[in-house]
Amino acid sequence: DVKVTQSSRYLVKRTGEKVFLECVQDMDHENMFWYRQDPGLGLRLIYFSYDVKMKEKGDIPEGYSVSREKKERFSLILESASTNQTSMYLCASTLNVEYGYTFGSGTRLTVV
Amino acid sequence: GEDVEQSLFLSVREGDSSVINCTYTDSSSTYLYWYKQEPGAGLQLLTYIFSNMDMKQDQRLTVLLNKKDKHLSLRIADTQTGDSAIYFCAENDNNDMRFGAGTRLTVKP
Repeated sequence: DVKVTQSSRYLVKRTGEKVFLECVQDMDHENMFWYRQDPGLGLRLIYFSYDVKMKEKGDIPEGYSVSREKKERFSLILESASTNQTSMYLCASTLNVEYGYTFGSGTRLTVV
Repeated sequence: GEDVEQSLFLSVREGDSSVINCTYTDSSSTYLYWYKQEPGAGLQLLTYIFSNMDMKQDQRLTVLLNKKDKHLSLRIADTQTGDSAIYFCAENDNNDMRFGAGTRLTVKP
């Protein structure tokens, strides 16, 4: 069964901390994505990556960065966490966008 | 930017049909999708339709596409309590996917 695994289901961090959210897929997909999900706003794209060491900004990249050192792993980094980054973070991957995405279970991050 | 719009809430009785509607704006989308998100979980691809099709049926699910009006709908026949979830409409937009805000379907016994 193909999988996208996000390392943490729940995370609580303090304002100003550097936060790493990890995502690993076992499907040899080139394309990986990070979204945040907020009530009434749906999914908003933060960053995506087409290949190793490659990254592109999505719709809301401010306050975030990413790392893709290996094909299977795509990390989202909050350089200095703020309370407005409290959200559900979803990672997804695909071989081809037209095939649809496979999502991880999500990481619910609370910044206090 | 381009928007995908859907109503936020729908409530139906068990055994009734549910119809979830969506409008999109990018006429160049090749595929349109429905995803389901159960509580505490990520999104799961439910079904999709190619843009040159009008209808697609898969067991209890029927997808209707009106390309002229840029309107997509998902019909769930004989809705069950296990169908309670958030349903997201999405379109592929160049190299990524654009999602609606999600419709929360509540099924009452």
